[in-house]
Amino acid sequence: GAGVSQSPRYKVTKRGQDVALRCDPISGHVSLYWYRQALGQGPEFLTYFNYEAQQDKSGLPNDRFSAERPEGSISTLTIQRTEQRDSAMYRCASSPPGETSQYFGPGTRLTVL
Amino acid sequence: AQKVTQAQTEISVVEKEDVTLDCVYETRDTTYYLFWYKQPPSGELVFLIRRNSFDEQNEISGRYSWNFQKSTSSFNFTITASQVVDSAVYFCAPMNTGFQKLVFGTGTRLLVSP
Repeated sequence: GAGVSQSPRYKVTKRGQDVALRCDPISGHVSLYWYRQALGQGPEFLTYFNYEAQQDKSGLPNDRFSAERPEGSISTLTIQRTEQRDSAMYRCASSPPGETSQYFGPGTRLTVL
Repeated sequence: AQKVTQAQTEISVVEKEDVTLDCVYETRDTTYYLFWYKQPPSGELVFLIRRNSFDEQNEISGRYSWNFQKSTSSFNFTITASQVVDSAVYFCAPMNTGFQKLVFGTGTRLLVSP
């Protein structure tokens, strides 16, 4: 079946612009996670959802970052007033019900100029 | 809090050699999960294995095997008869039960040359 999909795959924006990154989880997966991976580092947790409820947003760096999953399926990670330090690979993952194993999408490479 | 250490930054081997990737984790929890992920040059993150802290039985899957020792807080990964396609960055990641976040190490880059 289809894996986790993310769009866009690449996003270049200017400092100060808002960006919205989209994640479409594997069909039937109820948990959805966002991570950020800097070059040469492991992914770092941002936030996660069970169905439409945001369960943990402790990893969001500041209030410029927000995420939603209004219908319990597709999720959007929004970064307002982007800064150069926001440049990274943003990864989404999903898990089936009752499972802890997370399956990752291809990521969105964000570059802030 | 959790912490994971992958002390080997980069390992280079020749095809058909066996190689072991080390992972040492710290957690105050008595129950937790441990994961390994592979990140090939193409960039995707591929799930390899999940173990829970109850089960210290070693696991083998083809050329891959995992050795979990709770007493030494280690969860090492061995590739037998390595192949060029094994070249990737490998991440170890613990997860506390009740919290759904993976805590990734810095990764070990494995280079397998022909």
